[in-house]
Amino acid sequence: DIQMTQSPSTLSASVGDRVTITCRASQSISSWLAWYQQKPGKAPKLLIYKASRLESGVPSRFSGSGSGTEFTLTISTLQPDDFATYYCQQYSSSSMYTFGQGTKLEIK
Amino acid sequence: EVQLVESGGGLVQPGGSLRLSCAASGFTFSSYWMSWVRQAPGKGLEWVANIKQDGSEKYYVDSVKGRFTISRDNAKNSLYLQLNSLRAEDTAVYYCAVLKGQDYWGQGTLVTVSS
Repeated sequence: DIQMTQSPSTLSASVGDRVTITCRASQSISSWLAWYQQKPGKAPKLLIYKASRLESGVPSRFSGSGSGTEFTLTISTLQPDDFATYYCQQYSSSSMYTFGQGTKLEIK
Repeated sequence: EVQLVESGGGLVQPGGSLRLSCAASGFTFSSYWMSWVRQAPGKGLEWVANIKQDGSEKYYVDSVKGRFTISRDNAKNSLYLQLNSLRAEDTAVYYCAVLKGQDYWGQGTLVTVSS
């Protein structure tokens, strides 16, 4: 099974900062990676799919990159609404998916 | 408007069973792989199971294989998850979702396994 490892687990930052979250896969997943944002008590929201494609309606300050086993999510200029938990998810096959353990983005 | 509405959660004793349901509307249910994803209290997301459009293929995370069964009824636009031999570690909010091709999630239903 494919394992996904996110880092850091917690990230403290300020409004206006640029932040990067990393996700590593235990084997190559090509570009079959998504990034989700989740706020407390809510269902996750898709931000990025196929490693770098921005979901419709998601602000352009969010971007994704990477392929194979190394991926990053970057938020170029943090806004107050961005403080949340972020998850990567691999979907390299239709059959089995895996989420990373999550990165909690906190206000410094 | 797309809606996924889960039901069937509740308190159950260890070793017990529950059947979760998910009613879909606002999209062509029969055209999509469907998934169950769970989230234990204060923990991260865990993919649980997938089912193909026609129900011919089903996949599970290792921790639920042999205990949980995913199924669907395309005529009723409904997704199900049968949970058997429940353990304390199965306590979670269970979401039904479309993860492939779209991003649709329900509001979740809480399953609590406790004596």
